[in-house]
Amino acid sequence: GAVVSQHPSRVICKSGTSVKIECRSLDFQATTMFWYRQFPKQSLMLMATSNEGSKATYEQGVEKDKFLINHASLTLSTLTVTSAHPEDSSFYICSARDPPYTYGYTFGSGTRLTVV
Amino acid sequence: DAKTTQPNSMESNEEEPVHLPCNHSTISGTDYIHWYRQLPSQGPEYVIHGLTSNVNNRMASLAIAEDRKSSTLILHRATLRDAAVYYCILEGAGNMLTFGGGTRLMVKP
Repeated sequence: GAVVSQHPSRVICKSGTSVKIECRSLDFQATTMFWYRQFPKQSLMLMATSNEGSKATYEQGVEKDKFLINHASLTLSTLTVTSAHPEDSSFYICSARDPPYTYGYTFGSGTRLTVV
Repeated sequence: DAKTTQPNSMESNEEEPVHLPCNHSTISGTDYIHWYRQLPSQGPEYVIHGLTSNVNNRMASLAIAEDRKSSTLILHRATLRDAAVYYCILEGAGNMLTFGGGTRLMVKP
């Protein structure tokens, strides 16, 4: 089946630094990828829709200058958390869907970000 | 986006069938019904999805009400590995998924 690879699985960074998270579709091309954030004991919250070759679409309340999304190829989307603060500590998850959409969405294994 | 309502938690005995309900009374005619499950510290895993007809796959069955305002995920024989949070989600415009609270399924040996 379709595989979405997400790296790193966990990262600890200092407050004020930036962190990049990669999301790759391994065996299919994804013109669209989705980025979610999940706080402990809560559900996933959609942050943005990443579109290959164009600007990402951000959900209301998500700062586009803080969460930079780049979807430069059909198999790679990146999320950069800029000037990270402790409140950005969360579980970040990406997803994509393999055309012709016979199955559902495939999710990455997630990235646990801890900002100290 | 249309919303879904699920019980917060359910319990099941190992090797017994489990019926996980989901209400989606505001579903539109083109919304697909998706089910995913998530283990702690992992990304969600696709279980099944459908539009109008009941669906079966190797993991589960999806029973969709005739008026499509509710659906039920059926695990035919629960195992300990099925303990997870199960999300019922409607795929709406833009093909995006909006997660609700989900149902935490506990499986007792």
